[in-house]
Amino acid sequence: ETVMTQSPATLSVSPGERATLSCRASQSIATNVAWYQQRHGQAPRLLIYGASARATGIPARFSGSGSGTEFTLTISSLQSEDFAVYYCQQFNNWPPWTFGQGTKVEVK
Amino acid sequence: EGQLVESGGAVVQPGGSLRLSCAASGFRFDAYAMHWVRHAPGKGLEWVSVITWDGGITNFADSVKGRFTISRDNSKSSLYLQMTNLRPEDTAIYFCARAGEMYGLTKWFDSWGQGTLVTVSS
Repeated sequence: ETVMTQSPATLSVSPGERATLSCRASQSIATNVAWYQQRHGQAPRLLIYGASARATGIPARFSGSGSGTEFTLTISSLQSEDFAVYYCQQFNNWPPWTFGQGTKVEVK
Repeated sequence: EGQLVESGGAVVQPGGSLRLSCAASGFRFDAYAMHWVRHAPGKGLEWVSVITWDGGITNFADSVKGRFTISRDNSKSSLYLQMTNLRPEDTAIYFCARAGEMYGLTKWFDSWGQGTLVTVSS
């Protein structure tokens, strides 16, 4: 099973600032990673797939990068609606499809 | 991307059974593999099960293998999760999610329902 490890667990950021979230895979997964946003009480929403492609309707302030075992999600200028929990997921070695434990982005 | 609506969540005693449903609309349901993913309180997302577009192949997380079954009725655009021998650690919000490609399993999950809450407690 490919274990996905996210850091930090919590990220405190002021509105308008940049947020950088990390995800590490326990083995190489090429660029087969996705990022999801989950606002409180809501369903997860696909943000990024294939490590760097934005899903339909996702603002340009969200960007993804990385390959192999190290991946990054960057939110260039945090808006109020961006305070949420973010999960990375690998779809290279399945089953199982595995998620990181999440990074909570909170207001500083 | 269509719409997914889960139902069937309830409070159930340990050892009990429950059947969850997911109604799909707005896309060709019979062309997509479908997944169940759960979110337990205070934990991250956990993939539970998958079924191919034709129902021919299913797979389960080790944590539910032998206790849960997944099925679908393409004529009703519906997905199901039959859960038996439920344990307190199965307490979670259960989401259905669509595979990110037609006739494939190799992608991300591109559409999710709002979830249904299952609570296993005496």
